[in-house]
Amino acid sequence: DQQVKQNSPSLSVQEGRISILNCDYTNSMFDYFLWYKKYPAEGPTFLISISSIKDKNEDGRFTVFLNKSAKHLSLHIVPSQPGDSAVYFCAASEVRGLRFGAGTRLTVKP
Amino acid sequence: NAGVTQTPKFRVLKTGQSMTLLCAQDMNHEYMYWYRQDPGMGLRLIHYSVGEGTTAKGEVPDGYNVSRLKKQNFLLGLESAAPSQTSVYFCASSHLQGQGWNEQFFGPGTRLTVL
Repeated sequence: DQQVKQNSPSLSVQEGRISILNCDYTNSMFDYFLWYKKYPAEGPTFLISISSIKDKNEDGRFTVFLNKSAKHLSLHIVPSQPGDSAVYFCAASEVRGLRFGAGTRLTVKP
Repeated sequence: NAGVTQTPKFRVLKTGQSMTLLCAQDMNHEYMYWYRQDPGMGLRLIHYSVGEGTTAKGEVPDGYNVSRLKKQNFLLGLESAAPSQTSVYFCASSHLQGQGWNEQFFGPGTRLTVL
């Protein structure tokens, strides 16, 4: 059963514009949410996280928003750059490890 | 520091063959994990270890065994490979999961094909 869902397999944006990646979850017991970025032939690398007691966390161009009542989080990238082109995974932290969504492939066009 | 390394990078097996994937980390992390990534499904946890000599099942453990004889190494074994085990395998490690959350560091992956 998919407890973390990323319903958009791909997203294409123009350089300089905002990228918004979305993620939904079903388990209200998750206490941390994370975004990982993955380039081809590499392992995922950590991007940004948010505790379930917060509704926003910002790090440079990256901001994650959490809406607990809707069980929804989003990653905003402003401004988007061609180097941001990658697959982005939403993940939720549980006792055993991380539970991942299926990923969204972001393409930033120059 | 090399971080998390995985051996081999690629492997092709025939159905029924066995193999072992090796993961090594040089960050003195207590926790280590094995995930598999399949198209359209993200990464799924196979097994994990909270310390030397201990292992536990994750979300999809069937068909795999693991061992953690040394703190820095985590081995994933396939005793009798099946085509359904064709996947990309990622190893990860992290510090002790106490209050809060600790970042997991991932290796580059092993691409396994079972014919």
